[in-house]
Amino acid sequence: EVQLLESGGGLVQPGGSLRLSCAASEFTFSSSSMAWVRQAPGKGLEWVSAINGGNGNTHFADSVKGRFTISRDISKNTVYLQLNSLRVEDTAVYYCAKASGYGTGWYGKNDCWGQGTLVTVSS
Amino acid sequence: DIQMTQSPSSLSASVGDRVTITCRASQSIGTYLNWYQQKPGKAPNLLIYAASSLQSGVPSRFSGSGSGTEFTLTISSLQPEDFAIYYCQQSNRIPITFGQGTRLEIQ
Repeated sequence: EVQLLESGGGLVQPGGSLRLSCAASEFTFSSSSMAWVRQAPGKGLEWVSAINGGNGNTHFADSVKGRFTISRDISKNTVYLQLNSLRVEDTAVYYCAKASGYGTGWYGKNDCWGQGTLVTVSS
Repeated sequence: DIQMTQSPSSLSASVGDRVTITCRASQSIGTYLNWYQQKPGKAPNLLIYAASSLQSGVPSRFSGSGSGTEFTLTISSLQPEDFAIYYCQQSNRIPITFGQGTRLEIQ
């Protein structure tokens, strides 16, 4: 069974940093595209970032561009989200999700999700 | 960015009802449209991808249709476990965007 397990969330002050990790199992991680999606308390889903499993290209929402970076370690089957210059509005549950392309699109669908990790930005 | 608008925002229905949720895109996205179900405290779960393809393991009472800018998710006969929040998502262009969600409540 495909599994994703996030870790690294916690309480951080505004302006601080965190690194989220997502460990994957039971699928070909090296060629898989991966994404991060967040959900602020009581709010809807917001796509944050993705890494293309084929070419390694990275993509970000405007709201996090220049502050967050996404990377992966194929040897550890793990994708990371580095969160810098955190703001109160970054408070959310952060989900890692596998992106499986269809048609000619590389992103396609998020067909497997982790359980989420909570990031709280507060002084 | 492509804006996704769902209607209604909330819906009350009874077990056994047929329910339809609509999602509109601000520009054409072909059939790069997915539907997710989310229950409280849980991660979203993929129901429909490519506008009308049923994800493996999802009950056949769920169906999707549409292309271009207008899409629908239909639940043919509501079951108690279907009361949740439903989101559409476009994956035609980066940034990926979601609809605001439709809360399906028990009447």
